[in-house]
Amino acid sequence: DGGITQSPKYLFRKEGQNVTLSCEQNLNHDAMYWYRQDPGQGLRLIYYSQIVNDFQKGDIAEGYSVSREKKESFPLTVTSAQKNPTAFYLCASSIERSSYEQYFGPGTRLTVT
Amino acid sequence: AQTVTQSQPEMSVQEAETVTLSCTYDTSESDYYLFWYKQPPSRQMILVIRQEAYKQQNATENRFSVNFQKAAKSFSLKISDSQLGDAAMYFCAYRSTLLTDSWGKLQFGAGTQVVVTP
Repeated sequence: DGGITQSPKYLFRKEGQNVTLSCEQNLNHDAMYWYRQDPGQGLRLIYYSQIVNDFQKGDIAEGYSVSREKKESFPLTVTSAQKNPTAFYLCASSIERSSYEQYFGPGTRLTVT
Repeated sequence: AQTVTQSQPEMSVQEAETVTLSCTYDTSESDYYLFWYKQPPSRQMILVIRQEAYKQQNATENRFSVNFQKAAKSFSLKISDSQLGDAAMYFCAYRSTLLTDSWGKLQFGAGTQVVVTP
């Protein structure tokens, strides 16, 4: 079955440590996105990528980094510079940047203490 | 920058009844897409319905329909014959069609929690 996988579902880290969230898709989509969700707020865009080896900052990129070395994979690293990293992180993809529909993964809940 | 506002943090509806969720947005653009996404307790985001701004006809998907008022910048979602499985957080989202750096980005509202009572 085609889809987007994010692992792990729950992730715990100590403050000051970098952590990488995985996002893999087998939909053959060109565009991929990372969103952050906090309680009482909608999703906010962190980074997005239109094609391999290309990515752009979204609205809240500070303290995050990404890579896009393969079409199927778009990992997100939450660095120690991110002031408030505890949140729910959602990865999404679309066929191409112009596609109106984005498909979402199941998300990763990151807790930093 | 576009903003999306959902003024109802929570709405309650009885099974088989109808509930309407409000969404307003702010934009200077004439062409764009609007969406309603559903996020059940599993937290998986599911696309419910979409509307292209250039289309005057309101979109419908089975029990879900929208009331798109372009001049008023309003995009409400009506859920008819509500079912227990409709209980979820519902997000309104905006997407520009302009060829700018933010092309493809979804701008979300804060969400409305729908509670369905038997």
